[in-house]
Amino acid sequence: DIQMTQSPSALSASVGDRVTITCRAGQSINKYLNWYQQRPGKGPKLLLYVASTLESGVPSRFSGTGSETDFTLTISSLQPEDVATYYCQQSHSIPQTFGQGTRVEI
Amino acid sequence: QVQLVESGGGVVQPGRSLRLSCAASGFTFRSYVMHWVRQAPGKGLEWLAAISYDGRNKYDADSVKGRFTISRDNSNNTLYLQMNSLRAEDTAVYYCAKDRGITVVRGAGMDVWGQGTTVTVSS
Repeated sequence: DIQMTQSPSALSASVGDRVTITCRAGQSINKYLNWYQQRPGKGPKLLLYVASTLESGVPSRFSGTGSETDFTLTISSLQPEDVATYYCQQSHSIPQTFGQGTRVEI
Repeated sequence: QVQLVESGGGVVQPGRSLRLSCAASGFTFRSYVMHWVRQAPGKGLEWLAAISYDGRNKYDADSVKGRFTISRDNSNNTLYLQMNSLRAEDTAVYYCAKDRGITVVRGAGMDVWGQGTTVTVSS
């Protein structure tokens, strides 16, 4: 199984701050890395797929980079509605696996 | 609109069975890979199983292999998860999710999620 490791596990930032979350895969996954947002009490929502493609309707302050084993999710200007837990997920191979999540607070 | 609605959750004793359903609407169900993902209380997301658009190919996680079976009925736009030999550690919210594409391997993420159905395994 491909292990996905996110860092940090949690962070606190101010409105307007630039926030960066990293995700490392245990082996190369090319660009098959997806990012999800899960607000408290809600189901997950796809933000970006294949590392850097923004899902329709997702604000442009969210962006993703990376390939092979190292990936980054950036929120360019943190907003109150961004309070959530963020997960990376590899869709390169079976079993698909998620990172442990990064909780973002304001 | 595009929607997935799970049902079938509840409280069940260890060792018993349960079948979850996921009703799809607003998109061409038969054209997409579908997944089941769960989330134990206070924990992260765990991928459980996926099924090809035509139901011919199924994939599952080691944690449920031999106990859970994914299936689909494309004529009724419904995804299923048959769960047997349930354990306390299967207690979770279970989500069905639509893949963006038609392949499970080298896939492109899950773009539509249901609201989840809660399964509690307890005596």
